Amino acid sequence: DAMVIQNPRYQVTQFGKPVTLSCSQTLNHNVMYWYQQKSSQAPKLLFHYYDKDFNNEADTPDNFQSRRPNTSFCFLDIRSPGLGDAAMYLCATSRENAGDTQYFGPGTRLTVL
Amino acid sequence: AQKITQTQPGMFVQEKEAVTLDCTYDTSDPSYGLFWYKQPSSGEMIFLIYQGSYDQQNATEGRYSLNFQKARKSANLVISASQLGDSAMYFCAMREAMNSGYSTLTFGKGTMLLVSP
Repeated sequence: DAMVIQNPRYQVTQFGKPVTLSCSQTLNHNVMYWYQQKSSQAPKLLFHYYDKDFNNEADTPDNFQSRRPNTSFCFLDIRSPGLGDAAMYLCATSRENAGDTQYFGPGTRLTVL
Repeated sequence: AQKITQTQPGMFVQEKEAVTLDCTYDTSDPSYGLFWYKQPSSGEMIFLIYQGSYDQQNATEGRYSLNFQKARKSANLVISASQLGDSAMYFCAMREAMNSGYSTLTFGKGTMLLVSP
């Protein structure tokens, strides 16, 4: 089945230690998104790629970076995680058509010690 | 101003009963889409149903239907015959600027639904 896969499902890191979360998709979608979701809150868009074009939300901290080496993979790098970065990180994909649905992966739950 | 408002932080329903989760939205764009997602405790966001602003009929997907009232700017989710597995957080989301290429989703704050036996 076509799907969005995120690894790892659970990630524990230390304060200030860089961490990379990965997302892959077999849907061949043009657009990939990264969301941050803190406990009991709505998902918050961090950035998205339209093919190789990177689009950063205005309020996304510089501490968060992303890479998309090819259509299938997208990475979220947190350069120096703080305690406030502990959250669920959700990857989603969609086709380029504006009306198309975003399909989400299972998420990576990040803990910062 | 919030673009998506979900006024019910939590809802309780008994198994096999129907439940309506409220969602109102605010946009001046004539072309938009409304989505409902389910998020169980495991964290995955599961797409449930979609309604386009120009759709003439209310969307339905199995036990899910969307009560779309355009003039009132509401898009309530109706779950018929609730099941224990329906217990989850439910998010309403909107996509604007549908005619100008891809656009991003704005989510509401969610409603936690608990289904009891």
